[in-house]
Amino acid sequence: AQSVTQLGSHVSVSEGALVLLRCNYSSSVPPYLFWYVQYPNQGLQLLLKYTTGATLVKGINGFEAEFKKSETSFHLTKPSAHMSDAAEYFCAVTSNRDDKIIFGKGTRLHILP
Amino acid sequence: DAGVIQSPRHEVTEMGQEVTLRCKPISGHDYLFWYRQTMMRGLELLIYFNNNVPIDDSGMPEDRFSAKMPNASFSTLKIQPSEPRDSAVYFCASSPRLAVLTYEQYFGPGTRLTVT
Repeated sequence: AQSVTQLGSHVSVSEGALVLLRCNYSSSVPPYLFWYVQYPNQGLQLLLKYTTGATLVKGINGFEAEFKKSETSFHLTKPSAHMSDAAEYFCAVTSNRDDKIIFGKGTRLHILP
Repeated sequence: DAGVIQSPRHEVTEMGQEVTLRCKPISGHDYLFWYRQTMMRGLELLIYFNNNVPIDDSGMPEDRFSAKMPNASFSTLKIQPSEPRDSAVYFCASSPRLAVLTYEQYFGPGTRLTVT
């Protein structure tokens, strides 16, 4: 069975500061990993994904994430936070054996002026 | 493209009433997913379809919930009878076959259901 753990249901950072949202996964097969973002009153949008190949993946809005197999992690980072980054972020996992995706509980990112 | 369309956006109903949520996937998408989101349980997959056929309904909480996809452009999620604990945001998402291989799902805006 696959699972995802997001550390911290709420994270606050100052505008211009580094954003780091943590995600650890559990999977018995090679994982495919995702970060989705949900803005208020909207559905989820794909930020970035890792399937195979380069372990550092870049997504939209300046976000990136690094797949670290030895640490079973897929943390999301952005060098400089903007007010518009305030949203809820979901880490997710699946594999090439599944049609469905397992989502984490989400981390709400607050940006302080 | 208009994206995934869900209706209604908000629904308030009394306990015991029947509720029907509707979804129109993106044209050409072969997969359709229904999710439920609550503060306590996060985002849960309820059921998904491939080419209008239900593939996995193991996430449907109980017999009060049912879902159908009569054609490629329409799906419904029905709750009968509704209970206060069904209050949540319900999302529909769709994927084209190729995107399933890379696992990108396109989400609708959701229906916020409140059962009093």
